[in-house]
Amino acid sequence: DTEVTQTPKHLVMGMTNKKSLKCEQHMGHRAMYWYKQKAKKPPELMFVYSYEKLSINESVPSRFSPECPNSSLLNLHLHALQPEDSALYLCASSQADTTSYEQYFGPGTRLTVT
Amino acid sequence: AQRVTQPEKLLSVFKGAPVELKCNYSYSGSPELFWYVQYSRQRLQLLLRHISRESIKGFTADLNKGETSFHLKKPFAQEEDSAMYYCALRATGGGNKLTFGTGTQLKVEL
Repeated sequence: DTEVTQTPKHLVMGMTNKKSLKCEQHMGHRAMYWYKQKAKKPPELMFVYSYEKLSINESVPSRFSPECPNSSLLNLHLHALQPEDSALYLCASSQADTTSYEQYFGPGTRLTVT
Repeated sequence: AQRVTQPEKLLSVFKGAPVELKCNYSYSGSPELFWYVQYSRQRLQLLLRHISRESIKGFTADLNKGETSFHLKKPFAQEEDSAMYYCALRATGGGNKLTFGTGTQLKVEL
């Protein structure tokens, strides 16, 4: 299995809602990532998990809360989002300890905050 | 801090014409450079990495440390090459962080 899967594909939520995005991979990768991508823009890194521990937080607001319950799963918990948080949220995974590596991306969750 | 620059937002070429998508970077150390591609309604995927020096789908890219460039080239463009192309840099010792350029939309016209 060489795919990263993400659920849901689309999500519409109000500013007071709490929701979660899920990401799963079964490639044995020990590094997992969350990116935010606005239309016609490159992906912006949000978080990196390495061996299930948070290794990079790119100064993301606390209304985004990542979680890595095991080596195959990555969640992004959302609470009290703003309309400007509407975007495509991408998950990726890679080997954690190689000198040259490839990040495998999921198809993304299209989030709309109303 | 590292930075990746792709000067062209949009590049339009005719089928069969040569293609060159430009990428310049700034980084004081020894970087790893990648080209990622995003076809319409498909996920972002790796196209090339400088360290493997391979040709994928007819595309090649050479790292030029003197000019700090990693331009993507193809001698004869095909219609199926139309996509968004992102150049990306991984700083050595910088963990698993990729820094992406702003992307170039390639349109191959018939």
